[in-house]
Amino acid sequence: EPEVTQTPSHQVTQMGQEVILRCVPISNHLYFYWYRQILGQKVEFLVSFYNNEISEKSEIFDDQFSVERPDGSNFTLKIRSTKLEDSAMYFCASRQARVLHFGNGTRLTVT
Amino acid sequence: GNSVTQMEGPVTLSEEAFLTINCTYTATGYPSLFWYVQYPGEGLQLLLKATKADDKGSNKGFEATYRKETTSFHLEKGSVQVSDSAVYFCALSPDQGAQKLVFGQGTRLTINP
Repeated sequence: EPEVTQTPSHQVTQMGQEVILRCVPISNHLYFYWYRQILGQKVEFLVSFYNNEISEKSEIFDDQFSVERPDGSNFTLKIRSTKLEDSAMYFCASRQARVLHFGNGTRLTVT
Repeated sequence: GNSVTQMEGPVTLSEEAFLTINCTYTATGYPSLFWYVQYPGEGLQLLLKATKADDKGSNKGFEATYRKETTSFHLEKGSVQVSDSAVYFCALSPDQGAQKLVFGQGTRLTINP
């Protein structure tokens, strides 16, 4: 069964550094999403992406965040200057019909 | 706005016990409702869904019925197994816009042999 894949599974970075989290959505899906889950807390929506542009974003998704679909298969989330509070599990998802399919996540640790 | 409220966890049961995890929602329009499960060290997996009122979603012995009159989507299983130990998330998807998922806070379930 096709699945969403995310790399790396774990990323450690220093505060102030840029990180890029990568995702390969399911190939025939058209809607893509990033969510995050701070340890022990709720899964929170960050951004949705359709037709090569952001369709909706949350208050969390400020100017430090950006998304891109550079080559028709990858879908990336960039954090320009990481903060300690960006430490979380980041999940990518793609959608078919009304069902979101999630990857296994990237655990980002900012030190 | 749209929101989902789940019963507080953690929940600990013995094997073969009956399980209920309560979920209520607030939404405009006609959302779809979902239960996702997160096993230790893994991502979110769709467990079941219902797209309109009175629909019953079911999978792996779990069931949930979309109750518009009580704005609820409670998860039930008649006889749980140790392998059901996981975190369960109730979620809704609005019928408009980007149809993003709005999650509840999650309920950690532990099943003891």
